[in-house]
Order: sequence, then C-alpha cells, then structure tokens
Amino acid sequence: DAGVIQSPRHEVTEMGQEVTLRCKPISGHNSLFWYRQTMMRGLELLIYFNNNVPIDDSGMPEDRFSAKMPNASFSTLKIQPSEPRDSAVYFCASSLDRENEQFFGPGTRLTVL
Amino acid sequence: QKEVEQNSGPLSVPEGAIASLNCTYSDRGSQSFFWYRQYSGKSPELIMFIYSNGDKEDGRFTAQLNKASQYVSLLIRDSQPSDSATYLCAASGGGADGLTFGKGTHLIIQP
Repeated sequence: DAGVIQSPRHEVTEMGQEVTLRCKPISGHNSLFWYRQTMMRGLELLIYFNNNVPIDDSGMPEDRFSAKMPNASFSTLKIQPSEPRDSAVYFCASSLDRENEQFFGPGTRLTVL
Repeated sequence: QKEVEQNSGPLSVPEGAIASLNCTYSDRGSQSFFWYRQYSGKSPELIMFIYSNGDKEDGRFTAQLNKASQYVSLLIRDSQPSDSATYLCAASGGGADGLTFGKGTHLIIQP
C-alpha cells in the first residue's frame, strides 16, 4: 500500500495568492482528516470527511479556507487568499472510520511570504 | 471541550533506561487512545493504541490506561537514541468525532 499521498510537499507563495493542497487517502478508508501543525498550536484538526461528506468543519479558521472531497480517492484544501499566518505544515490523514487509528501523509510545508 | 494534556518537555533520559511519557484527558466518554511518534520534519506515525484498562505491551513499548484517573502512559524500555522524537497522545470517542491530540512531549535519549 502506498499510504496517504499529499502534494505538493513544499509550497512557497506570496500573500494574497490561492493555494491548493491535495490528498489521496489509503484505498478503502472511509474517513479523511485535514490537520494544521505549528509550533505554537500543535496539531489542529481543520475538517474531516466521512464517506466523502464533510462532517465537522469547526476547525476551519476562516472563510478563506475551504475543503472538498469529490470522490473517495481525492481531497483538496484550498486557501484563498493566503496570508503569512497560514504558514504551517498541513497534514492529511485517513482511517477506516472516524474513531480508528489514523494514518498520516507526509505533509505539505506551506510558506506564505 | 475535549482536551488532551501532555507535558511538553523536553524529557531527557539516558540510553538504556526506561522513558515514561504521560497524558491526561478531560472527556470521560473517550474510548480509545493512541500514541504517535513524530520525528522532526516528518509526519506522525502510530506506535500503539489501547482500549481497555491495564497494560498493553508491544516489543519495547508498553501502553497503560487508567480510565478512572483519565490517565494514559507510554513506557519505552531500553531507550535508544533513535527513540528521540516528539510523542503525541490522542483520544477518540465520547462527545467529539475523530481524534483529539495533545501537543506532544519532546523526548531526548542521551547516549
């Protein structure tokens, strides 16, 4: 199994630009999670999907953030417009169901200048 | 609000000794508990999970759960320098969906 796949691995952009992060979960997993990790705040859950449906987006910081899961094998997290305070590592994780162990992708390190 | 608390450390342990990592959780309804290890610049990887009160052993790792005290711990026997990492405790079940993570304990194994 290839594990959770994320792209890009690194992203450097300028303030105001749109950023799109991509994730392919492990085949057969029904739940997908987007996290953001910073030194100050640790690992924060942004949103999670169950069977492609967004269940809880209370962690999404602002309307500038949006996430989609058009099918079971693909999800995107979009930030528009991006700001320097969005700089962080963004992880995608998947699990068989929402309360089982989660398997993390390698993360996307986002830097907004 | 569901919370998981960990001492941020750093926790420094000599090589070959037992490292003890602790975690408390606020939601009594939490059912399952997970320990993840995260090396610097890498993603979290699952080490162990535990559902029942008591101890669960896997190689050099032992997870301990005490639901009455709302306390979870991870013991690492015969600590190696390669065990140096941040260890994240997570809880699931109860009033919230998904996992709630603590901020992690930074463990340093001194050769």
